[in-house]
Amino acid sequence: EVQLVESGGGLVQPGGSLRLSCAVSGFTVSDNYMNWVRQAPGKGLEWVSVIYSGGNTYYADSVKGRFTISRDNSKNTLYLQMNSLRPEDTAVYYCGREFTPGARYFDYWGQGTLVTVSS
Amino acid sequence: SYEPTQPLSVSVALGQTARITCGGNNIGSLNVHWYQQKPGQAPVLVIYRDSNRPSGIPERFSGSNSGNTATLTISRAQAGDEADYYCQVWDSTYFFGTGTKVTVL
Repeated sequence: EVQLVESGGGLVQPGGSLRLSCAVSGFTVSDNYMNWVRQAPGKGLEWVSVIYSGGNTYYADSVKGRFTISRDNSKNTLYLQMNSLRPEDTAVYYCGREFTPGARYFDYWGQGTLVTVSS
Repeated sequence: SYEPTQPLSVSVALGQTARITCGGNNIGSLNVHWYQQKPGQAPVLVIYRDSNRPSGIPERFSGSNSGNTATLTISRAQAGDEADYYCQVWDSTYFFGTGTKVTVL
């Protein structure tokens, strides 16, 4: 059975840092394109970042230079390191898998973890 | 930047047909995917590559895409279809539509 379980969310002050994790079972993270997508309270979905199976990484302009996506193959886990956090980063963060590498749509999602940036 | 536009809300009578549009310049040249999201839950893929249904998605869900508009059609709408629906495309990066709230009356 495929499962994606996010963790690491919480309350952080503006300018602070947080690392999100997405523990995966049922498939191999490093064989897939893995993404982070976020949703601000009451708002729509916003793509954040992707890591390709080959290791290339890409980011939305809104987080470029502040967020870093990575993976630990031994733990089959995806990460999102978030630095210099801003109030507008407040959102539920979902990890998601692309159906096949390069399919550009998401067939499996985690349940999400809430990040709140506030003083 | 490419932001597909969707109506804020669509209402449909129980058992009738709902159509949700996703508009964008020449969106017909892109693959459009659709997600259903119920309150407090993660999105669920309901249509991929314009008109394909993942396994487990009822045949009542169908999609089309041509010109400047892609459409998700929900036939014989049920109370359980009440949700937010998002279209999504890839055009050098990933774009989600603005989302449509479907209400079943």
